[in-house]
Amino acid sequence: GAVVSQHPSRVICKSGTSVKIECRSLDFQATTMFWYRQFPKQSLMLMATSNEGSKATYEQGVEKDKFLINHASLTLSTLTVTSAHPEDSSFYICSARAGEGSSPLHFGNGTRLTVT
Amino acid sequence: LAKTTQPISMDSYEGQEVNITCSHNNIATNDYITWYQQFPSQGPRFIIQGYKTKVTNEVASLFIPADRKSSTLSLPRVSLSDTAVYYCLSFTSGTYKYIFGTGTRLKVLA
Repeated sequence: GAVVSQHPSRVICKSGTSVKIECRSLDFQATTMFWYRQFPKQSLMLMATSNEGSKATYEQGVEKDKFLINHASLTLSTLTVTSAHPEDSSFYICSARAGEGSSPLHFGNGTRLTVT
Repeated sequence: LAKTTQPISMDSYEGQEVNITCSHNNIATNDYITWYQQFPSQGPRFIIQGYKTKVTNEVASLFIPADRKSSTLSLPRVSLSDTAVYYCLSFTSGTYKYIFGTGTRLKVLA
């Protein structure tokens, strides 16, 4: 089946530093990937749509300069949390669709970010 | 995108069949219904997807009535390991966006 891999699974960083999270589609190509954020006991919130070879599309309220997305190849999208603050601590999850049309999304296992 | 509504939580016992119903009153003609399972600190896992009537796979069944304004995920003979949050989503083929609702927190008791 389609596999989406995220790295790292957890990261701790100091306030003010930047953190990069990688999302890879292992056995399929993905022109579009999606980044979600999830706070404890809450649902997933869509942050942005990552488009291979073009700019990402951000959801309302998500700062594009804060959360930099790069989708340089058909199998890799990266999310960089810049100048991280403790309130950015969250669970970040990426996803991709293996096919077209009605194909469901496949999700990575998430990255737990803790900003101290 | 159709908004979905489902119960916040449910309890069940091992070996029972669990039915989780989702309401999607504003579902559009081209929308599919998809269900995901999420364990703590993991990404959601695809369970089943359908457009109308009934779909069954090795882990669940999905029932969608003719008006498609609701759907029911059926989990046969649940075990403790089925304790998780279950999300009902709808999306329109081609828009690619999935918007998650609150999900249903299922607790399976021994």
